[in-house]
This record gives sequence, C-alpha cells and structure tokens, in this order.
Amino acid sequence: QKEVEQDPGPLSVPEGAIVSLNCTYSNSAFQYFMWYRQYSRKGPELLMYTYSSGNKEDGRFTAQVDKSSKYISLFIRDSQPSDSATYLCAGYSGNTPLVFGKGTRLSVIA
Amino acid sequence: KAGVTQTPRYLIKTRGQQVTLSCSPISGHRSVSWYQQTPGQGLQFLFEYFSETQRNKGNFPGRFSGRQFSNSRSEMNVSTLELGDSALYLCASSLGPGGGGTEAFFGQGTRLTVV
Repeated sequence: QKEVEQDPGPLSVPEGAIVSLNCTYSNSAFQYFMWYRQYSRKGPELLMYTYSSGNKEDGRFTAQVDKSSKYISLFIRDSQPSDSATYLCAGYSGNTPLVFGKGTRLSVIA
Repeated sequence: KAGVTQTPRYLIKTRGQQVTLSCSPISGHRSVSWYQQTPGQGLQFLFEYFSETQRNKGNFPGRFSGRQFSNSRSEMNVSTLELGDSALYLCASSLGPGGGGTEAFFGQGTRLTVV
C-alpha cells in the first residue's frame, strides 16, 4: 500500500461547480498535509497546507484533514477554467521527505 | 527573487548513455531535494542534499546519484539509461534540512526522454 493514495481521475466539471478532491494516507507520523497544483509543463506549486486535523480556508479553496480516518480533502468553490491542472496531495512528518499522491487531473469546462 | 532553476528543460538520450541534470536553488536555500515524476508512479523521492551532504535517499537503484556544491547548486546523474528512466525530474529547494515541507519550492523540471 502506498503511503498516500489519490484517485488520478481525470475529473471534468463545468465552470462554477464545486470540486472535491480526496486522498487517503497510511503513515500516522504525518503532521502536515499539503495540496500542490501543477499546470502542464510546470513544477508543482504549494496551494495550501494544514497542520494536524481540521479545516483551512483560503479564498475559494478549503482543505480538510481527518486524522481519525486518515482522509485529506480539497474543495474548490466556484471553479474556474484557470483551475484546470493536476492537484497533488502530500504528507509530511517534519523531518523526512514529502510523500505525494499520484495527482488528480482536473478540467473545468467553460 | 529568482526561483528554482533547472537545466536543461528538455533532454533526449539513448539507452545506455548517462545524463547530468542541474538545479540551482533559491538564493539562501541550502537544501535541495530531487523527485522523479511519471504518469504511473507519480512523484517519487530520489534524494535530498543539505550543506553538501546527502541526508535522505529514496528507493532508486545506484545508477541514480547526486551531489551538492558549496554554493548549494545540485546535480543529479543517471548512468546506463533505461527506457523506464523517461520522466520529469523535479528539484525542490528549501531553507533547512528535511525536504522543506511547507517551505519547499519546486523548479519547472527537466523532461528526460530515453529512446
């Protein structure tokens, strides 16, 4: 079992839809949970992160972590065509390398 | 402030050859981590260097090696290339050791194609 599992999609939604992206993880040592966005032919860029369990909101984006079920979610409200990208979740224990999911490819259709 | 610079952006090599990729971290960053990204496996950690010392190594064969120079620039080398080495190679820089976590910044990657 991979430490971080993520449905690769692809996921296609109409503009304005609410998007839900999800990951599960198995490593209980993870303290930080990150979401990266990667546009085609670009490197990943950090979108947001949460520490331990809970929610974090940043504009149209909300990240949720449920450590009891080892479940990570990213919600995108009012999705825009510019949100079309691959979204990668990652876990981080604090002193060891980032562990990534395989990424979910999202297309937002105008 | 300049970002992470990876060179070259694209490479085509033949099986059996070797290749060297370069990563210049953000000024002041002393940690460089390398990742291999493929459609089948996603982003997989190769190794991390901090202050010229390898701190962590992923589960890759010995054909994959790296080093870091005193100016924090890093190179990775792949010898005896195989078709399966075709991938996007990404480096991430951060201030301190441990792979950077929430403070890791990625370069645009080097796209390696082995034919």
